Amino acid sequence: DAGVIQSPRHEVTEMGQEVTLRCKPISGHNSLFWYRQTMMRGLELLIYFNNNVPIDDSGMPEDRFSAKMPNASFSTLKIQPSEPRDSAVYFCASSDPGTSAYNEQFFGPGTRLTVL
Amino acid sequence: LAKTTQPISMDSYEGQEVNITCSHNNIATNDYITWYQQFPSQGPRFIIQGYKTKVTNEVASLFIPADRKSSTLSLPRVSLSDTAVYYCLGLGSARQLTFGSGTQLTVLP
Repeated sequence: DAGVIQSPRHEVTEMGQEVTLRCKPISGHNSLFWYRQTMMRGLELLIYFNNNVPIDDSGMPEDRFSAKMPNASFSTLKIQPSEPRDSAVYFCASSDPGTSAYNEQFFGPGTRLTVL
Repeated sequence: LAKTTQPISMDSYEGQEVNITCSHNNIATNDYITWYQQFPSQGPRFIIQGYKTKVTNEVASLFIPADRKSSTLSLPRVSLSDTAVYYCLGLGSARQLTFGSGTQLTVLP
């Protein structure tokens, strides 16, 4: 398996633009998580899905952020409009409670977002 | 979810055994103790988890005393490639990972 796939790996955009980050979880995994990592705040959970349904989005910082999972193999995190403080590395992770260790999540390589 | 405390940084030399201790004084009955590793420019990677006593896998050992208020991650004979940030997490049934600051382990030649 290729692991969790994220695209793009790097994104540079200007303030006010819409940004869409994409994630393909590991095949067969039914839980998907979006995280954000910055030097100041560390690694934060933004939202997670179970069986394509958003379970907890309390970590989503503002209404400018939205996430969707239209099917089991694809998820998007959208920021509209983007702001410089959104600059961070965004990670997607997936897990399968049936086969993984209890708290084992598989992380993708991340998308480094820079908002100018 | 248990709040965890661990050293900010540690240095070691190649070939040595490294022990990183984490305190989690308010750990709940149903919390597991889980450790992740993160290399620069990569996502975190699950290393090991346990509930009590000792757990060992091909990468590390995890020691958890009877009161479960702390845990120690043991890395045998570290190499330069073990330089990374190590996170200790105390987690319950919500399965929502909450990462602290972690411990930056630097392995020196």
